[in-house]
This record gives sequence, C-alpha cells and structure tokens, in this order.
Amino acid sequence: GENVEQHPSTLSVQEGDSAVIKCTYSDSASNYFPWYKQELGKGPQLIIDIRSNVGEKKDQRIAVTLNKTAKHFSLHITETQPEDSAVYFCAASTILTGGGNKLTFGTGTQLKVEL
Amino acid sequence: GAVVSQHPSWVICKSGTSVKIECRSLDFQATTMFWYRQFPKQSLMLMATSNEGSKATYEQGVEKDKFLINHASLTLSTLTVTSAHPEDSSFYICSARQAVNEKLFFGSGTQLSVL
Repeated sequence: GENVEQHPSTLSVQEGDSAVIKCTYSDSASNYFPWYKQELGKGPQLIIDIRSNVGEKKDQRIAVTLNKTAKHFSLHITETQPEDSAVYFCAASTILTGGGNKLTFGTGTQLKVEL
Repeated sequence: GAVVSQHPSWVICKSGTSVKIECRSLDFQATTMFWYRQFPKQSLMLMATSNEGSKATYEQGVEKDKFLINHASLTLSTLTVTSAHPEDSSFYICSARQAVNEKLFFGSGTQLSVL
C-alpha cells in the first residue's frame, strides 16, 4: 500500500520567516495531494491541495509543489504568523481496487512560529 | 470549504457502556465518509470507510462488532463504540468526501474518555 513520509516532525521559525515541510510518497498511481492544518483538540482543516497534473499551486501565503518523478511534494508558508502554529499533515490519495480512493497521511509536523 | 459537523465534541462514559458519535455533512452530500482514530501527537489512523446504503469497510485490526458504523443517508454517518473500555479512550474524527471534487473535509473530532 501507499506509504507517506513527512519531515521534519517539528519545526520552529521566527515570525515573518518561511516554513517548508516535505513529504514523499511511494505509490506512483497517487494523484491527489492535500495538506491539512490541525489545531489542538480540533479536526484537520484542508488548507491547500494539488493534483498530479499540476506542478505548483499557490494561495496567498501558502504554496504547494509537486514533483511526480521524484514522488515528493512540499508545503511552503511565507511570512509566517503566530496563528500558523499548528500540526500540519500531508496526504496522498490512493486508488482502491474496486473503485474509490482513500487518503494516506504523513506523520505530521508540529510548526511553532515564535515572536 | 464544505462543513462537516461532528457531535459530541467530548464524552465521558463508564466502562461497559456504548457511545454514539454523529458525523453530518451540512452543505453537501457525501456518499463516502471515513472514521479515524488519533492518539496524542500521532497521525490519523483510518478505522473504516462508510458508504451510504452499504456495509462499512473496516481496516485491518479494527473490530467491526465493537465499532459499529451506520451510514443511512447521504449526510449522516454514525460510529457507535460498544461496550467501551478505557483503552478505547481516544480522539475520534470523521471526514466526508465531497463527490464533485473528491476533496475530504473533516469534523471537529470527539474526545472519548472511558472511566
């Protein structure tokens, strides 16, 4: 099955700096890669996603890049703010035998933005 | 983004009792919903896939008789933890797939504590 690795597990940056989180996946058939932000005691919130026919996508301070050949994708947050502090999960969508798909999640990155 | 409502947000119960958790997609129909379990500082572990009008598909190692899933309508799935024990204490999260774009949206989670 699909295996998604995520690095780093923890990341501390100064307010205003950029943060980069990287993920790799194993199943070359995966074609959808969302990123989620999870605050303490809450469910994950979809912040950005990318499909395999696109190499890069940007939404204000957040961007995601995808390298299908190398099977890795990254989340970039620019001009970080204290409210960006949370756990971020990457995921890869795996096609299931018989139809449908399911997400395989990375292990998460605890981002801390320090004043 | 689409809204998924999950209730209750937290529940405390005695060992041996059953607890029901509801997951509703408020502004879209979800033919497929997913139930996850998350331990502190860990990633989401998929428990089962819930398909409207059919039996749920459980992941390996998840007891289907203990974690009863019902997906009777396109907007509601329920997870019932039967004969709960302290080791069932965890954060349970549901998600719903938006059919039009395959995006997955999560509920706010339920913290279950079994005494």
